Amino acid sequence: QVTLRESGPALVKPTQTLTLTCSFSGFSLTTSGMNVAWIRQPPGRAPEWLARIDWEGDKFYSRSLETRLAISLDTTQNQVVLTVTDMDPTDTATYFCARTEYSRGPFDYWGQGMLVTVSS
Amino acid sequence: ENVLTQSPDTLSLSPGEGATLSCRASKTVGDNFLAWYQQKPGQAPRLLIYGAYSRATGVPDRFRGGGSGSVFTLTISRLEPEDFGVYYCQQYDRSPRTFGQGTKVE
Repeated sequence: QVTLRESGPALVKPTQTLTLTCSFSGFSLTTSGMNVAWIRQPPGRAPEWLARIDWEGDKFYSRSLETRLAISLDTTQNQVVLTVTDMDPTDTATYFCARTEYSRGPFDYWGQGMLVTVSS
Repeated sequence: ENVLTQSPDTLSLSPGEGATLSCRASKTVGDNFLAWYQQKPGQAPRLLIYGAYSRATGVPDRFRGGGSGSVFTLTISRLEPEDFGVYYCQQYDRSPRTFGQGTKVE
């Protein structure tokens, strides 16, 4: 059974760095083709893809946010970590992690999401 | 980036009626790598359709995806009460992966 679960702080202050962890089970990120991505969704708006990491450890970022994003993988703990620097109130959103079985594949399994609010 | 535009923004329908949702891409979606998701309040999106017309596991056959190239559709033949929510299209052909703005079926 494939599961993903996001964890991290629900509230961060402007200019702080957000660190989110995606803990997954039921698949291995070392399996050829496998990817885990981070996607965020501001309240009432459409999802926005942020970053992904693939089975070879290659990393891909949204061009508009790449200077602020870092994605990493801990294969021993089946976790993918996303950091977002210099948080702003406009970064308030529900942050999801999701799996794709192929680099060019749909997001077939999602975590439940985590609302992160940026406020002083 | 490949911008996806969905229409209409809102569909007001009753159970038992049919629904047709549209998704238009600014660039051709290679290999028809276009997916549809359903989202209900407080939940993650759920994959319904991938490859433009293939249903994901467990998706009822009243959901049908169609189209190719840059124009795609999602048809729901007879709305059930659990089908009301927001539907998003998404392309996974090019980076960055992009989503449409959503169609709310109410």
